[in-house]
Amino acid sequence: NAGVTQTPKFRVLKTGQSMTLLCAQDMNHEYMYWYRQDPGMGLRLIHYSVGEGTTAKGEVPDGYNVSRLKKQNFLLGLESAAPSQTSVYFCASSYDPTGRRNPQHFGDGTRLSIL
Amino acid sequence: KNQVEQSPQSLIILEGKNCTLQCNYTVSPFSNLRWYKQDTGRGPVSLTIMTFSENTKSNGRYTATLDADTKQSSLHITASQLSDSASYICVVSGPYGNNRLAFGKGNQVVVIP
Repeated sequence: NAGVTQTPKFRVLKTGQSMTLLCAQDMNHEYMYWYRQDPGMGLRLIHYSVGEGTTAKGEVPDGYNVSRLKKQNFLLGLESAAPSQTSVYFCASSYDPTGRRNPQHFGDGTRLSIL
Repeated sequence: KNQVEQSPQSLIILEGKNCTLQCNYTVSPFSNLRWYKQDTGRGPVSLTIMTFSENTKSNGRYTATLDADTKQSSLHITASQLSDSASYICVVSGPYGNNRLAFGKGNQVVVIP
C-alpha cells in the first residue's frame, strides 16, 4: 500500500520555466491538498480539492494552478517559475475533511529549486 | 500573528531520557488538535488527534495532552530513542477543517546516544 506518492522528488528549474508536480493516492480519498514548506514557517496551503473535477484556492495560490481530473491524482502546475517558489512541496489526502476521525496522509515531498 | 506557537524551537536530549514539547494556540472556535512527526526529508506522519472533549491520547511512547480552556497542548516523549530525532508539528483545526488549518513551525528534537 503506497499511500501518497509524489513525483518527482527533486527538480531544479530556471526562472520562467514551467513544470507539473504529480500527486497520486491509492486510498480512495475524496480530499486532496497541496502545501509548501519553507524554512522557519509552518506548512501553507496552496490549493485543495474536495473531489474529482473540483479545486479551490488555499492561503497562497498565486503563481500555481491545479487540476483533479481523476480522483486518485492531484496535479500542481507552475506556469512561469520564480525564485520565490523555491520550496518543498507536500501533497496530502484525507478521508475526513474535518480531521476529527482520520488524519491527513502526506507524501514525502518534492524539493524544487528555482534558479 | 501565528495562531500556533511551539516551544522550545529545538532541543537536544540524551537517549533514554524524557522530554515535553509545548504548543499554544489562539484558533477559535476549536475543533481538534493534531501532532505530527516529520523525519528529515520525509512528509509529516500523524501521531495523535484530539478533539475538544479529549484531555490525553497516547501512541506508544508519545503522549499528548490538551487543555482547551487555556488553549495549550503538550507532547511527551518517554524513554527517547535515536529514531525520535525529528521535527514535531502541532496543527490546530477550527470550523473550516482541513481547508484552513493552523500549522506550528515545529519543535526540532535531536536525540544523542
